[in-house]
Amino acid sequence: QKEVEQDPGPLSVPEGAIVSLNCTYSNSAFQYFMWYRQYSRKGPELLMYTYSSGNKEDGRFTAQVDKSSKYISLFIRDSQPSDSATYLCAMSAWTSGSRLTFGEGTQLTVNP
Amino acid sequence: GAGVSQSPSNKVTEKGKDVELRCDPISGHTALYWYRQRLGQGLEFLIYFQGNSAPDKSGLPSDRFSAERTGESVSTLTIQRTQQEDSAVYLCASSLERTGGEEKLFFGSGTQLSVL
Repeated sequence: QKEVEQDPGPLSVPEGAIVSLNCTYSNSAFQYFMWYRQYSRKGPELLMYTYSSGNKEDGRFTAQVDKSSKYISLFIRDSQPSDSATYLCAMSAWTSGSRLTFGEGTQLTVNP
Repeated sequence: GAGVSQSPSNKVTEKGKDVELRCDPISGHTALYWYRQRLGQGLEFLIYFQGNSAPDKSGLPSDRFSAERTGESVSTLTIQRTQQEDSAVYLCASSLERTGGEEKLFFGSGTQLSVL
């Protein structure tokens, strides 16, 4: 079983829709949770970073962490065609130091 | 430079040949990472460098893989006797420093390696 599970999609939505992307994990030591966005032929770029359970909002993006359920989500409001990309969740434990564990990534297409 | 730079962007090689991939991290970033991304899969950790400390090589898949870093600058990832299963995008990332699990990684655009 993978430590981090993420539905690879693909996910296709109309412009303006609310998008929900999710990951589940099995390692209870994970404390830091990140979402990366990866455009085609580019490296991942850090989108959101959270540490504690609860919600964190940044513009149209909201990251949600539920440590009791080992479940994290990324919500995108008023989605735009420019949001079309692959979204990867990533997480790490304090003791793991250098090693981020990534999900498989969800491919999102926002249609104009 | 402004970001992490990787070269070449694409590399096609024949099975059995050696390849060398290069990474220039962001200036001032002491930590450097190599990841592998196979088609349709997540990122797989390969190796991590932090300053003058011994590198964390725990993710290297076989002894055909090795990496070096010169001080706190350029790193090269070498794959010897390449196999078809080595075909993937090899991503390099750098961060300011290791602070437990809080590293915020900045990635390069990767090298697409194709082994024929």
